[in-house]
Amino acid sequence: AQSVSQHNHHVILSEAASLELGCNYSYGGTVNLFWYVQYPGQHLQLLLKYFSGDPLVKGIKGFEAEFIKSKFSFNLRKPSVQWSDTAEYFCAGTTSSASKIIFGSGTRLSIRP
Amino acid sequence: GAGVSQSPRYKVAKRGQDVALRCDPISGHVSLFWYQQALGQGPEFLTYFQNEAQLDKSGLPSDRFFAERPEGSVSTLKIQRTQQEDSAVYLCASSPAGVGHSNTEAFFGQGTRLTVV
Repeated sequence: AQSVSQHNHHVILSEAASLELGCNYSYGGTVNLFWYVQYPGQHLQLLLKYFSGDPLVKGIKGFEAEFIKSKFSFNLRKPSVQWSDTAEYFCAGTTSSASKIIFGSGTRLSIRP
Repeated sequence: GAGVSQSPRYKVAKRGQDVALRCDPISGHVSLFWYQQALGQGPEFLTYFQNEAQLDKSGLPSDRFFAERPEGSVSTLKIQRTQQEDSAVYLCASSPAGVGHSNTEAFFGQGTRLTVV
């Protein structure tokens, strides 16, 4: 079955630390991958997406993710986090023929000021 | 409107009560999705509409759950005889493209938090 896995349930970092959140998917064939963020009290917002082409994808607010097909991974990175990055982060995936986006269980990111 | 709008934002229902949750997608969006998000979990797919057609309802947990989108715009998720395990945030999302179109993303509403007591 198609699935998306996020390894870290809760990550705590200090400001200016580097961030990497893990994501693995189980799709075969052509995949579309996403990272969504949910700030406290707000709706899910798209950070970045990968459909094809350059496997290094840049998103908003300095985030980027790298699609590594051989590892079935799509990890999210940011070189220097800020307190305002405190949020829940969801990796998600689908295929071009699918009718649904499947989400991982999420990673809660807490930033110490 | 500018985004996906859901109402009500919060709903408290007594066990056994029927509830109806509304979603107003972004105007012109073809695809509409419903998701259920339990506390501390990622969104779980419930159902998908392309215009007025419900193409996938594989995620609906029981026959107490019913969704419709009769005119291809506003959608309603109805839960009959609510149970405590139905307590969750129900998310609606819309997308400009239909199934089979890549390079599309889903835009989410703020959700309806349902608490069954």
